[in-house]
Amino acid sequence: QVQLVESGGGVVQPGRSLRLSCAASGFTFSSHGMHWVRQAPGKGLEWVAVISHDGSNKYYADSVKGRFTISRDNSKNTLYLQMKSLRTEDMAVYYCAKGKDEYIVGTTPFDYWGQGTLVTVSS
Amino acid sequence: QSALTQPRSVSGSPGQSVTISCTGTSSDVGDYKFVSWYQQHPGKAPKLMIYDVNERPSGVPDRFSGSKSGNTASLTISGLQAEDEADYYCCSYAGNYVFGTGTKVTVL
Repeated sequence: QVQLVESGGGVVQPGRSLRLSCAASGFTFSSHGMHWVRQAPGKGLEWVAVISHDGSNKYYADSVKGRFTISRDNSKNTLYLQMKSLRTEDMAVYYCAKGKDEYIVGTTPFDYWGQGTLVTVSS
Repeated sequence: QSALTQPRSVSGSPGQSVTISCTGTSSDVGDYKFVSWYQQHPGKAPKLMIYDVNERPSGVPDRFSGSKSGNTASLTISGLQAEDEADYYCCSYAGNYVFGTGTKVTVL
């Protein structure tokens, strides 16, 4: 069965960096676009970034563009999110999510989600 | 892009039907057939319930249905059950992805 397990969250000071990881199993990781979606405490969902199946295309929400970098290692079935210049408004649970359709980076919905990892930005 | 607009809450008794609206613009909901709906129980990850406006993933009960008219998409839960009590979010592809503000469904 599909499993997505995020890690790397924690407490970080404003302006610092953090890298999240998402270990995938149970499907052909290298065939699917992958996303990061976040949820601030008590708030709604916000899409963050997507990467194509082969890593050649990456797209970001305006709120994180230039500060966050999405990447993947298909040999390790792992998705990453490098976050720099963190702000208090970046504090959230970060979910990785699988794109439903193979080889499609946009339009396809998120059919499996991890349990999330909490990022706390505080001095 | 601004978040899609959903009612803050809806409620119904077991067995009744409830409908959640999701209002966007001609640049998102109105322009694409790629509207999806997610159910989220407290402390849990979201779950895909509807995609491409009205398609149901395998395993999702047929009590859940979706539709769209103009700039507004809707999720209807028929035969409401206790386990349907959760938060629901719509999502539209619009070049990137935009989520709705979320709706809490309460089963009375």
